[in-house]
Amino acid sequence: NAGVTQTPKFQVLKTGQSMTLQCAQDMNHNSMYWYRQDPGMGLRLIYYSASEGTTDKGEVPNGYNVSRLNKREFSLRLESAAPSQTSVYFCASRENRDYSNQPQHFGDGTRLSIL
Amino acid sequence: QKEVEQNSGPLSVPEGAIASLNCTYSDRVSQSFFWYRQYSGKSPELIMSIYSNGDKEDGRFTAQLNKASQYVSLLIRDSQPSDSATYLCAVGGAGGTSYGKLTFGQGTILTVHP
Repeated sequence: NAGVTQTPKFQVLKTGQSMTLQCAQDMNHNSMYWYRQDPGMGLRLIYYSASEGTTDKGEVPNGYNVSRLNKREFSLRLESAAPSQTSVYFCASRENRDYSNQPQHFGDGTRLSIL
Repeated sequence: QKEVEQNSGPLSVPEGAIASLNCTYSDRVSQSFFWYRQYSGKSPELIMSIYSNGDKEDGRFTAQLNKASQYVSLLIRDSQPSDSATYLCAVGGAGGTSYGKLTFGQGTILTVHP
């Protein structure tokens, strides 16, 4: 059982380059989330998808776009990378069940450096 | 803006002692509370969830919730060096309207020394 799979695990970009971070879950979860984690700042929500076909902004959406490709996949795109986007990016998913507050399950993360 | 506050530490305890980790939150309608453990360079791993006032025990871990005081804590009994990690407190809103979104604290670094 793979859970939440993120690719790539590491990436170095130059300022202005674009790239897409991929996330896929095999737990049949409805909701998916993208976070960034910076030293001393915990996890901050970038975008989320409550269900297939919907996406919405989180706390720090500027400079990012997302696509919920299908129920399994939720990608994060940096159109023009900036050094301030150097961070560790985590994807998470959660089961929706009768409005109950199920926990989120995380992928292994993508470590992104922008020079 | 919803806030979740943790003492960033580091918290250092001797092996075998009880480690006490604390978290306060600002949103009074919060309904779900989670503790995640994160080893250096790894992803967050769920260790406890609590939804009702009181204590919830799972092995060496006990989560305590006091909604009136907007306070949640995690106790680790018989601490082991393998418990050394960053512990993240996460708070969720009302189930139907929050879409499962969580607000995380900045994390508390715990070091258990032999």
